[in-house]
Amino acid sequence: AQSVTQLGSHVSVSEGALVLLRCNYSSSVPPYLFWYVQYPNQGLQLLLKYTSAATLVKGINGFEAEFKKSETSFHLTKPSAHMRDAAEYFCAVSGVNFNKFYFGSGTKLNVKP
Amino acid sequence: ETGVTQTPRHLVMGMTNKKSLKCEQHLGHNAMYWYKQSAKKPLELMFVYSLEERVENNSVPSRFSPECPNSSHLFLHLHTLQPEDSALYLCASSEGGRNSPLHFGNGTRLTVT
Repeated sequence: AQSVTQLGSHVSVSEGALVLLRCNYSSSVPPYLFWYVQYPNQGLQLLLKYTSAATLVKGINGFEAEFKKSETSFHLTKPSAHMRDAAEYFCAVSGVNFNKFYFGSGTKLNVKP
Repeated sequence: ETGVTQTPRHLVMGMTNKKSLKCEQHLGHNAMYWYKQSAKKPLELMFVYSLEERVENNSVPSRFSPECPNSSHLFLHLHTLQPEDSALYLCASSEGGRNSPLHFGNGTRLTVT
């Protein structure tokens, strides 16, 4: 069965600090994994995706994520947070059926000055 | 225009009204989706169209009626809605493979009074 769990509905960091947003997945087939960001009053925007080519995936805005099969994890990181990173972040795994994607509940990132 | 465009951005309707949400994608994608995003709930998949054929209907009440006249346009017709239907309705498109990410519009914020 496909599912995603995001630990921590709210994460708060100081500007310049490391950002770590956690995502664990369950998949009955080799997974394709995605991170999306949603700014207020906007839709979701793709940050990065894992499609089995490389375990460390670099995305936009300085974010990256590492696929760890043994831990069934795909955590999102950024070395230094900016105020503009304040948003909600969603992890997703594709389904067995190409039409379905399974989203986590989201993590709201707050960046303190 | 590029990307996925949704209109209107905001909609207020009474419980007896009939209205429609419109989505247009300029990406040449084969699949289009309707998602519902409510506060404190995971993203809910409502409908999926692939090559203009509905391939997913996620137990959505009949007061929501989708229409996909061609691969670039998607509508969601609304009638006799309930206050609990108030939410952000997101349209998305994709190329249609398991490793193809979703491209989202900015959504329609629907309020049912």
